[in-house]
Amino acid sequence: QSVLTQPPSASGTPGQRVTISCSGSSSNLGRGYVYWYQQLPGTAPKLLIYRNNQRPSGVPDRISGSKSGTSASLAISGLRSEDAADYYCAAWDDSLSGTVVFGGGTKLTVL
Amino acid sequence: EVQLVESGGGLVKAGGSLRLSCEASGFTFSTYSMNWVRQAPGKGLEWVSSIGGSSGFIYYADSVKGRFTISRDNAKNSLYLQMNSLRAGDTAVYYCARDTVPAEFDYWGQGTLVTVSS
Repeated sequence: QSVLTQPPSASGTPGQRVTISCSGSSSNLGRGYVYWYQQLPGTAPKLLIYRNNQRPSGVPDRISGSKSGTSASLAISGLRSEDAADYYCAAWDDSLSGTVVFGGGTKLTVL
Repeated sequence: EVQLVESGGGLVKAGGSLRLSCEASGFTFSTYSMNWVRQAPGKGLEWVSSIGGSSGFIYYADSVKGRFTISRDNAKNSLYLQMNSLRAGDTAVYYCARDTVPAEFDYWGQGTLVTVSS
C-alpha cells in the first residue's frame, strides 16, 4: 500500500482532458512539493512536472500540475495516443527519517 | 548530455549478495545527490536509497535498511548499491536517478534487473 494514493487507472479519448489525482498527508504533500513522472512501456520514468506545477523543457503546455493542501492533480488536455503511459506522483516525506514516497501509479489508456 | 548507466544486475539466490554500479557522465557528479529507485515486475516505483553529493547524508527505505548500503566514488563518477541478504521481494529493475532536491529526479538510467530466486 503506497503512502500517496492514486487511482489505478484513467482513460480518455483523443482530444479529451483527463485528470489524475494524488492524495497524501500533512507529512508529505502538506509540507512540500509534488512531482509527477511519466513511464512509457518498457522505458525508464521521466520527470513530467516538478515543484507542483513546473514543466521541464520539452514537456508540452497541455500538461499541467496543481496542488492544494494534501492533494495534487495532473491534467492532460488535448489527449494524444502517445500519452498512454503509467503516471506516478512523488514527494518527500517528513514522518520517518527522511524518505521519498511514490503513489501506486495510474495507468492512462487512450481509447 | 547527462547519462546514467547502471550495471551489475543478474540472477542471485536468496540470501546472496550483489553490487550494483551506476556510471555518470555529462555533469559535475559530486555536486548532485543520487538515488536508487526500484520497480518490481508489473509493480510501481519504490524509492530505495539516497546519498548526498559529498556523502554527507544517506537515507534508506525501511524495506532495505540494514541489508543495503549506498555509496559513491566522486573521482570515478560512480554510484553503488551493495545488496546483502537478498530476498525474493527484492526482485526488481533498479534505476539510479539524479536529484536536484529530494524527490525531484531529473535524470534516470535505463535500469538493471535483479532477480532473486528462492
